[in-house]
Amino acid sequence: AQKITQTQPGMFVQEKEAVTLDCTYDTSDPSYGLFWYKQPSSGEMIFLIYQGSYDQQNATEGRYSLNFQKARKSANLVISASQLGDSAMYFCAMRGTVRDDKIIFGKGTRLHILP
Amino acid sequence: DTEVTQTPKHLVMGMTNKKSLKCEQHMGHRAMYWYKQKAKKPPELMFVYSYEKLSINESVPSRFSPECPNSSLLNLHLHALQPEDSALYLCASSPQDRGENYGYTFGSGTRLTVV
Repeated sequence: AQKITQTQPGMFVQEKEAVTLDCTYDTSDPSYGLFWYKQPSSGEMIFLIYQGSYDQQNATEGRYSLNFQKARKSANLVISASQLGDSAMYFCAMRGTVRDDKIIFGKGTRLHILP
Repeated sequence: DTEVTQTPKHLVMGMTNKKSLKCEQHMGHRAMYWYKQKAKKPPELMFVYSYEKLSINESVPSRFSPECPNSSLLNLHLHALQPEDSALYLCASSPQDRGENYGYTFGSGTRLTVV
Protein backbone atom coordinates (compact mmCIF):
# COMPACT_ATOMS: atom_id res chain seq x y z
CA ALA A 1 0.00 0.00 0.00
CA GLN A 2 1.05 3.56 -0.57
CA LYS A 3 1.95 5.76 2.38
CA ILE A 4 3.08 9.33 2.93
CA THR A 5 4.76 10.38 6.17
CA GLN A 6 5.24 13.94 7.36
CA THR A 7 6.93 13.91 10.75
CA GLN A 8 6.77 17.64 11.54
CA PRO A 9 3.33 18.60 12.88
CA GLY A 10 4.39 22.24 13.19
CA MET A 11 7.31 24.50 12.45
CA PHE A 12 8.22 28.06 13.38
CA VAL A 13 10.61 29.90 11.07
CA GLN A 14 11.89 33.46 11.04
CA GLU A 15 10.89 35.51 8.02
CA LYS A 16 13.42 35.48 5.15
CA GLU A 17 14.99 32.24 6.32
CA ALA A 18 14.87 29.06 4.22
CA VAL A 19 12.72 26.21 5.49
CA THR A 20 12.65 22.51 4.71
CA LEU A 21 9.50 20.46 5.16
CA ASP A 22 10.12 16.74 5.39
CA CYS A 23 8.27 14.04 3.48
CA THR A 24 8.95 10.35 3.10
CA TYR A 25 6.88 7.94 1.10
CA ASP A 26 6.44 4.27 0.47
CA THR A 27 5.08 2.60 -2.63
CA SER A 28 5.61 -0.51 -4.69
CA ASP A 29 4.56 1.22 -7.91
CA PRO A 30 7.49 1.62 -10.33
CA SER A 31 6.06 4.92 -11.54
CA TYR A 32 4.56 7.59 -9.36
CA GLY A 33 4.27 11.31 -8.86
CA LEU A 34 4.93 13.41 -5.80
CA PHE A 35 3.20 16.70 -5.05
CA TRP A 36 3.20 19.44 -2.50
CA TYR A 37 0.09 21.46 -1.74
CA LYS A 38 -0.33 24.56 0.41
CA GLN A 39 -3.54 25.10 2.34
CA PRO A 40 -4.02 28.54 3.94
CA SER A 41 -6.67 29.12 6.57
CA SER A 42 -9.16 29.92 3.79
CA GLY A 43 -9.20 26.21 2.97
CA GLU A 44 -8.23 26.13 -0.68
CA MET A 45 -5.63 23.54 -1.65
CA ILE A 46 -2.99 25.25 -3.75
CA PHE A 47 -0.68 23.17 -5.93
CA LEU A 48 2.96 24.10 -5.42
CA ILE A 49 5.26 21.64 -7.12
CA TYR A 50 5.42 18.23 -8.79
CA GLN A 51 8.17 15.60 -9.08
CA GLY A 52 7.92 12.53 -11.27
CA SER A 53 9.58 9.34 -10.16
CA TYR A 54 11.64 9.18 -13.36
CA ASP A 55 12.66 12.82 -13.37
CA GLN A 56 16.43 13.14 -13.20
CA GLN A 57 16.46 16.65 -11.84
CA ASN A 58 14.84 18.11 -8.76
CA ALA A 59 11.76 20.15 -9.51
CA THR A 60 11.78 23.90 -8.92
CA GLU A 61 9.00 26.49 -9.04
CA GLY A 62 10.05 29.98 -8.05
CA ARG A 63 10.91 29.93 -4.35
CA TYR A 64 9.89 26.28 -4.06
CA SER A 65 12.16 23.35 -4.77
CA LEU A 66 11.73 19.67 -4.15
CA ASN A 67 14.70 17.73 -2.80
CA PHE A 68 14.02 14.31 -4.31
CA GLN A 69 16.09 11.40 -3.03
CA LYS A 70 14.61 8.34 -4.65
CA ALA A 71 16.76 5.75 -2.91
CA ARG A 72 15.78 7.17 0.47
CA LYS A 73 12.16 7.66 -0.65
CA SER A 74 12.12 11.24 0.45
CA ALA A 75 10.66 14.32 -1.21
CA ASN A 76 11.34 17.31 0.98
CA LEU A 77 10.00 20.75 0.11
CA VAL A 78 12.40 23.66 0.39
CA ILE A 79 11.07 27.20 0.57
CA SER A 80 13.72 29.84 0.10
CA ALA A 81 13.47 33.33 1.59
CA SER A 82 10.28 32.63 3.53
CA GLN A 83 7.54 35.26 3.66
CA LEU A 84 4.72 35.91 6.12
CA GLY A 85 2.26 34.72 3.47
CA ASP A 86 3.89 31.30 3.54
CA SER A 87 2.22 30.59 6.87
CA ALA A 88 -0.13 27.71 6.11
CA MET A 89 -0.59 23.96 6.25
CA TYR A 90 1.56 22.06 3.77
CA PHE A 91 0.66 18.61 2.50
CA CYS A 92 2.92 16.16 0.74
CA ALA A 93 1.00 13.87 -1.61
CA MET A 94 1.61 10.97 -3.95
CA ARG A 95 -0.12 9.43 -6.92
CA GLY A 96 0.73 6.07 -8.40
CA THR A 97 -0.13 4.78 -11.82
CA VAL A 98 -0.47 1.05 -11.46
CA ARG A 99 -2.38 -0.24 -8.51
CA ASP A 100 -3.83 2.86 -6.91
CA ASP A 101 -3.97 5.98 -9.03
CA LYS A 102 -5.65 8.19 -6.48
CA ILE A 103 -3.77 10.97 -4.72
CA ILE A 104 -3.09 10.27 -1.06
CA PHE A 105 -1.95 12.90 1.40
CA GLY A 106 0.37 13.01 4.36
CA LYS A 107 -0.87 14.41 7.66
CA GLY A 108 0.57 17.81 6.90
CA THR A 109 2.92 20.31 8.49
CA ARG A 110 1.70 23.61 9.91
CA LEU A 111 4.25 26.28 9.04
CA HIS A 112 4.35 29.54 10.99
CA ILE A 113 6.51 32.37 9.65
CA LEU A 114 7.55 34.82 12.36
CA PRO A 115 8.10 38.53 11.59
CA ASP B 1 -9.80 32.85 -9.43
CA THR B 2 -9.81 29.09 -8.99
CA GLU B 3 -10.62 27.02 -12.09
CA VAL B 4 -12.76 24.69 -10.01
CA THR B 5 -15.77 26.49 -8.61
CA GLN B 6 -17.60 25.25 -5.56
CA THR B 7 -20.88 26.57 -4.21
CA PRO B 8 -21.87 27.44 -1.62
CA LYS B 9 -18.76 28.47 0.28
CA HIS B 10 -20.50 28.03 3.61
CA LEU B 11 -23.53 25.92 4.53
CA VAL B 12 -25.32 25.37 7.81
CA MET B 13 -27.95 22.67 7.77
CA GLY B 14 -30.09 20.75 10.19
CA MET B 15 -29.98 17.01 10.51
CA THR B 16 -33.32 16.61 8.74
CA ASN B 17 -32.47 18.87 5.82
CA LYS B 18 -31.62 17.94 2.26
CA LYS B 19 -28.99 20.07 0.56
CA SER B 20 -26.57 19.85 -2.33
CA LEU B 21 -23.02 20.95 -2.86
CA LYS B 22 -22.05 21.94 -6.38
CA CYS B 23 -18.74 21.73 -8.19
CA GLU B 24 -17.97 22.93 -11.71
CA GLN B 25 -14.86 22.92 -13.87
CA HIS B 26 -14.33 24.15 -17.40
CA MET B 27 -10.88 22.76 -18.02
CA GLY B 28 -12.06 19.72 -19.95
CA HIS B 29 -10.85 17.45 -17.18
CA ARG B 30 -12.13 13.89 -17.35
CA ALA B 31 -12.04 13.07 -13.67
CA MET B 32 -13.63 14.82 -10.70
CA TYR B 33 -13.38 14.08 -7.01
CA TRP B 34 -15.01 14.84 -3.69
CA TYR B 35 -12.86 14.99 -0.57
CA LYS B 36 -13.85 15.47 3.06
CA GLN B 37 -11.46 17.27 5.36
CA LYS B 38 -11.85 17.51 9.12
CA ALA B 39 -9.99 20.19 11.03
CA LYS B 40 -6.23 19.61 11.27
CA LYS B 41 -6.49 16.44 9.18
CA PRO B 42 -5.57 15.64 5.58
CA PRO B 43 -8.31 15.36 2.94
CA GLU B 44 -9.97 11.96 2.64
CA LEU B 45 -11.27 10.76 -0.70
CA MET B 46 -15.02 10.17 -0.86
CA PHE B 47 -15.94 9.74 -4.52
CA VAL B 48 -14.32 9.68 -7.93
CA TYR B 49 -16.14 10.27 -11.21
CA SER B 50 -13.95 9.28 -14.10
CA TYR B 51 -15.07 8.63 -17.65
CA GLU B 52 -18.68 8.61 -16.41
CA LYS B 53 -17.88 5.86 -13.94
CA LEU B 54 -18.34 6.34 -10.21
CA SER B 55 -15.87 4.96 -7.68
CA ILE B 56 -16.85 5.03 -4.05
CA ASN B 57 -14.84 4.94 -0.86
CA GLU B 58 -16.75 2.17 0.87
CA SER B 59 -16.45 3.89 4.22
CA VAL B 60 -18.60 6.81 3.04
CA PRO B 61 -22.15 6.55 4.45
CA SER B 62 -25.14 6.51 2.12
CA ARG B 63 -26.37 9.87 3.39
CA PHE B 64 -23.85 11.28 0.89
CA SER B 65 -24.69 10.68 -2.77
CA PRO B 66 -22.79 12.09 -5.75
CA GLU B 67 -24.32 13.05 -9.05
CA CYS B 68 -22.56 13.90 -12.29
CA PRO B 69 -25.04 15.64 -14.66
CA ASN B 70 -22.30 16.19 -17.24
CA SER B 71 -18.54 16.05 -17.55
CA SER B 72 -18.02 19.50 -16.05
CA LEU B 73 -20.38 19.24 -13.06
CA LEU B 74 -20.22 17.14 -9.96
CA ASN B 75 -22.82 17.53 -7.23
CA LEU B 76 -22.87 16.06 -3.75
CA HIS B 77 -26.35 15.49 -2.32
CA LEU B 78 -26.66 15.54 1.44
CA HIS B 79 -29.51 13.99 3.41
CA ALA B 80 -30.00 13.28 7.11
CA LEU B 81 -26.47 14.28 8.03
CA GLN B 82 -24.98 14.02 11.48
CA PRO B 83 -23.02 16.65 13.41
CA GLU B 84 -19.83 14.65 12.83
CA ASP B 85 -20.25 15.28 9.10
CA SER B 86 -19.34 18.91 9.70
CA ALA B 87 -16.17 19.48 7.70
CA LEU B 88 -14.61 21.19 4.72
CA TYR B 89 -15.71 19.49 1.51
CA LEU B 90 -13.27 19.87 -1.33
CA CYS B 91 -13.91 19.20 -4.97
CA ALA B 92 -11.05 18.53 -7.38
CA SER B 93 -10.53 17.64 -11.01
CA SER B 94 -7.70 16.22 -13.09
CA PRO B 95 -7.13 15.69 -16.82
CA GLN B 96 -7.46 11.94 -16.49
CA ASP B 97 -7.68 9.38 -13.80
CA ARG B 98 -4.47 7.55 -14.57
CA GLY B 99 -1.03 9.03 -14.92
CA GLU B 100 1.33 9.99 -12.19
CA ASN B 101 2.00 13.48 -13.49
CA TYR B 102 -1.56 14.69 -13.36
CA GLY B 103 -2.15 16.49 -10.13
CA TYR B 104 -5.48 17.72 -8.97
CA THR B 105 -6.88 21.22 -9.26
CA PHE B 106 -8.91 21.93 -6.15
CA GLY B 107 -11.81 24.24 -5.55
CA SER B 108 -11.90 26.55 -2.55
CA GLY B 109 -14.18 24.20 -0.66
CA THR B 110 -17.53 24.30 1.12
CA ARG B 111 -17.47 24.62 4.89
CA LEU B 112 -20.38 22.54 6.11
CA THR B 113 -21.83 22.75 9.61
CA VAL B 114 -24.51 20.29 10.66
CA VAL B 115 -26.58 21.40 13.63
